[in-house]
Amino acid sequence: GDSVTQMEGPVTLSEEAFLTINCTYTATGYPSLFWYVQYPGEGLQLLLKATKADDKGSNKGFEATYRKETTSFHLEKGSVQVSDSAVYFCALSVNSGGGADGLTFGKGTHLIIQP
Amino acid sequence: DAGVIQSPRHEVTEMGQEVTLRCKPISGHNSLFWYRQTMMRGLELLIYFNNNVPIDDSGMPEDRFSAKMPNASFSTLKIQPSEPRDSAVYFCASRSGAGSYTIYFGEGSWLTVV
Repeated sequence: GDSVTQMEGPVTLSEEAFLTINCTYTATGYPSLFWYVQYPGEGLQLLLKATKADDKGSNKGFEATYRKETTSFHLEKGSVQVSDSAVYFCALSVNSGGGADGLTFGKGTHLIIQP
Repeated sequence: DAGVIQSPRHEVTEMGQEVTLRCKPISGHNSLFWYRQTMMRGLELLIYFNNNVPIDDSGMPEDRFSAKMPNASFSTLKIQPSEPRDSAVYFCASRSGAGSYTIYFGEGSWLTVV
């Protein structure tokens, strides 16, 4: 079945540090890939997405590139801020022919940014 | 535009009671999803609907759980009877339709069963 694996947290960084959160996937079919972010006490918000190989999704300084050859979609940001502290979820959705199915999520990575 | 609206935001109930969670998807969206989030199991897809029809309910944990979508603008997730292990955050989400892959989430219903 489809699955998403992301690095375990928590990940603790200092403000202005470079961030990478690894994400790899297995999927039957040709998935679209997503990063969602969940701030404390809130629901999930779409951060960025990529729907085909070599696409780069970007938003709020975050980037991720769809790498089909390594089945990866790593999240990066050049300089993190305290306000980036949240839980980040990598996810995929596969078009099973009748339309896209629901999202399959990774376990989430808790990011803590210290001032 | 209004996002996905869920109610109640927080509920505390006693074991054995019936719990009903409600969801209003984004207007015009024709796919609706119910997810459950716990520390132990992460985010799990419980059930999803396309055009008000349940497509995949394989994630519904047991017969105590049921979901309905009587029309395009309303869905319920019911737990009867509730148990302490049902304590979790329940998210409703919607998507605009076939060919669209982006799912938008509500803020969640935080359920505690004591």
